[in-house]
Amino acid sequence: EVQLVESGGGLVKPGGSLRLSCAASGFTFSSYSMNWVRQAPGKGLEWVSSISSSSSYIYYADSVKGRFTISRDNAKNSLYLQMNSLRAEDTAVYYCASGSYNDYWGQGTLVTVSS
Amino acid sequence: NFMLTQPHSVSESPGKTVTISCTRSSGSIASNYVQWYQQRPGSSPTTVIYEDNQRPSGVPDRFSGSIDSSSNSASLTISGLKTEDEADYYCQSYDSSNQVFGGGTKLTVL
Repeated sequence: EVQLVESGGGLVKPGGSLRLSCAASGFTFSSYSMNWVRQAPGKGLEWVSSISSSSSYIYYADSVKGRFTISRDNAKNSLYLQMNSLRAEDTAVYYCASGSYNDYWGQGTLVTVSS
Repeated sequence: NFMLTQPHSVSESPGKTVTISCTRSSGSIASNYVQWYQQRPGSSPTTVIYEDNQRPSGVPDRFSGSIDSSSNSASLTISGLKTEDEADYYCQSYDSSNQVFGGGTKLTVL
């Protein structure tokens, strides 16, 4: 059974940093691209970032470029999102999702940016 | 850059058929595959259609997807509506290597 389990969310002050993790199991993690997608409270889905299977290709939404860094460790079946210079508008549930078509999604982790 | 526009909400009765549209603002809808995701209240999204019209295993054949180049839009059709289909539905495609999501459509089955 495919499982994606996010962790690392929490309350952080504006300008602060947070590192999200996504632990994958039930599939060959190293063969799949991975994505972060977020959802602000009561709002729709917003793509954040994607990374190819070997980390050769990395893409970011304009809204997070220069502040967020996606990475992965295929030996640990894990995906990460380092978030710096956080803003109130980054408040959202952050989901990791697998594959080019977001085949599977985690349960999400809530990030709240507030003073 | 392009946008995907969906109706804010649709409603229909159990047993009926509903279609949710997703219109691409520029460029051809056929240029990149369209996916559809279902998000029930309080749950994570799940994929119901990928590559325009493909159903993942486990998704009932009541769900179907299509694209229409004349209207530059994609559609998700759900037939034989059940109350469990009540959810938010999002279309998604690619702009080069960036993902683009539609704003979402709230389906009410009443």
